[in-house]
Amino acid sequence: AQSVTQLGSHVSVSEGALVLLRCNYSSSVPPYLFWYVQYPNQGLQLLLKYTSAATLVKGINGFEAEFKKSETSFHLTKPSAHMSDAAEYFCAVSPSHAGGTSYGKLTFGQGTILTVHP
Amino acid sequence: GAGVSQSPSNKVTEKGKDVELRCDPISGHTALYWYRQSLGQGLEFLIYFQGNSAPDKSGLPSDRFSAERTGGSVSTLTIQRTQQEDSAVYLCASSQDRSSYNEQFFGPGTRLTVL
Repeated sequence: AQSVTQLGSHVSVSEGALVLLRCNYSSSVPPYLFWYVQYPNQGLQLLLKYTSAATLVKGINGFEAEFKKSETSFHLTKPSAHMSDAAEYFCAVSPSHAGGTSYGKLTFGQGTILTVHP
Repeated sequence: GAGVSQSPSNKVTEKGKDVELRCDPISGHTALYWYRQSLGQGLEFLIYFQGNSAPDKSGLPSDRFSAERTGGSVSTLTIQRTQQEDSAVYLCASSQDRSSYNEQFFGPGTRLTVL
């Protein structure tokens, strides 16, 4: 079974500071990995995804993530935080191999609430 | 084009009542997913549809939960004899097909409160 662990349920940064949200996965074979963002009272929006092409993935709003197989990690970073980045962020995993009932199904981490202060 | 829509946006019900939650996916998307977001459990998968069939119902919490999809489009999640632990935000998502490669587009959710 696949699982995702997000380290830190709350992260607080100053505006302009580096954002680092941590995600580690557990899977018998390298999965597909996703980062979603959820703004208050809204649905989830895809930030970026890793689907076994380039290990460094660039997404929307200046975010990027690096897939590190040796560390089973997929941490999300942004060089300079904006106030508008304040939201909850979810890391998710999905099987990369077709077949089986889990294919296409997202398994989410517990989420990390990002606070950006002036 | 239009995104995934869900109705109602909020639902307050009394314990023991039945509720129906509706999801309208993006036109042409063959795969549809239901997730539940609650304080204690985080985001958890409930069920998915490929077309009108639901091959995997393992995520449904109990036999009080059921879902159907008609015409390869609209889906309804029904909760019978609601309990307080059913209080959560129910999210629907759709994608082009049931491939992990494809992005799932999420609706705004239905917030269910069981009194």
